[in-house]
Amino acid sequence: GNSVTQMEGPVTLSEEAFLTINCTYTATGYPSLFWYVQYPGEGLQLLLKATKADDKGSNKGFEATYRKETTSFHLEKGSVQVSDSAVYFCALRVDPGGYQKVTFGIGTKLQVIP
Amino acid sequence: SAVISQKPSRDICQRGTSLTIQCQVDSQVTMMFWYRQQPGQSLTLIATANQGSEATYESGFVIDKFPISRPNLTFSTLTVSNMSPEDSSIYLCSVLDEKLFFGSGTQLSVL
Repeated sequence: GNSVTQMEGPVTLSEEAFLTINCTYTATGYPSLFWYVQYPGEGLQLLLKATKADDKGSNKGFEATYRKETTSFHLEKGSVQVSDSAVYFCALRVDPGGYQKVTFGIGTKLQVIP
Repeated sequence: SAVISQKPSRDICQRGTSLTIQCQVDSQVTMMFWYRQQPGQSLTLIATANQGSEATYESGFVIDKFPISRPNLTFSTLTVSNMSPEDSSIYLCSVLDEKLFFGSGTQLSVL
């Protein structure tokens, strides 16, 4: 079956530090990969995505590259801000039409301190 | 983009009782989904709720335990029935409007 493994948190960083949140996956077929973010008191929202190998998704200074050879989709940001404090979920979807088959990781809580 | 209002945001319930969670969307959407996130685990899809048809439940979830209503294209409810402490979890509704949008979740604690 499909699965997503992401590093457990919480991750605590100082403002302007470099961020990496690891995500690896197992999937049948060729998945699309996603990062969702949940800010305190809000719903999950799509942060970025990549639909094929070597694609790089980017948004709000965050980046993730679809690495088929290592089955990974690590999230990075060069300089985090306090406003980036949130829970980050890695996810995959195999069937392009099957949105109901999105598989999520457990979420990684990021705390950025001034 | 769709805006979802989910309530209650949290509740503490007694064993054996039932809780109904509401999900209101600001636009008409065909597909709505209900997820559960148990402590330390990933989001798990409970069921898909399309207007005008019975909800489709994933393996391990049954209608008697999690009845769902979908009376129109902007509203759905999920009921957690005959609750036990194992039902303590975050419940999330989600809609498909070109991409997935999520409500802010319901934190349920069962004593």
